[in-house]
Amino acid sequence: GQNIDQPTEMTATEGAIVQINCTYQTSGFNGLFWYQQHAGEAPTFLSYNVLDGLEEKGRFSSFLSRSKGYSYLLLKELQMKDSASYLCAVRDSNYQLIWGAGTKLIIKP
Amino acid sequence: ETGVTQTPRHLVMGMTNKKSLKCEQHLGHNAMYWYKQSAKKPLELMFVYSLEERVENNSVPSRFSPECPNSSHLFLHLHTLQPEDSALYLCASSQGTGSGANVLTFGAGSRLTVL
Repeated sequence: GQNIDQPTEMTATEGAIVQINCTYQTSGFNGLFWYQQHAGEAPTFLSYNVLDGLEEKGRFSSFLSRSKGYSYLLLKELQMKDSASYLCAVRDSNYQLIWGAGTKLIIKP
Repeated sequence: ETGVTQTPRHLVMGMTNKKSLKCEQHLGHNAMYWYKQSAKKPLELMFVYSLEERVENNSVPSRFSPECPNSSHLFLHLHTLQPEDSALYLCASSQGTGSGANVLTFGAGSRLTVL
């Protein structure tokens, strides 16, 4: 079967750096997405990786290794507003999105 | 209004009730989706409409009935639901359903509680 694994919950300190990992086993690969979802709000798009390497977008970066079935989302200079759930999703060979259960990130002062 | 709007935001219903969830997108997208989000579980795709035609129905029970009258509106009609159907129902839209970045824009969801 297809599945996406990511940690259920992580805690980090304001101003620090945190890395949220995502590993996947899917039937084919056509891109990996990261979404952010604050409690009670809509998930919002953060990043898209389809080639190996690092994509940087301000304080957020996303890395992909297709050979290892692995991605991470790196958040720098953490702010309290970064407290949210982070969802990893992979598009398989049929262009279907396979979702992880999300990682709840708690930022402490 | 902009983005994807869902109403109602909260709904409590008995197992014998009939209700509907509404979704409207103001982005000019041609594909719309219903997802179910339960605590600590991955998003479950329920239905996909592309150009107002249903293209995906992931073995969803018949007590959930979608309707897409035009490319901007999507409904989810609910009847004789079960308590395990209690969840957050998310609507999303995108430009196309296949290749490319195909980013989904989500609504804030309708929180459904079935008593």
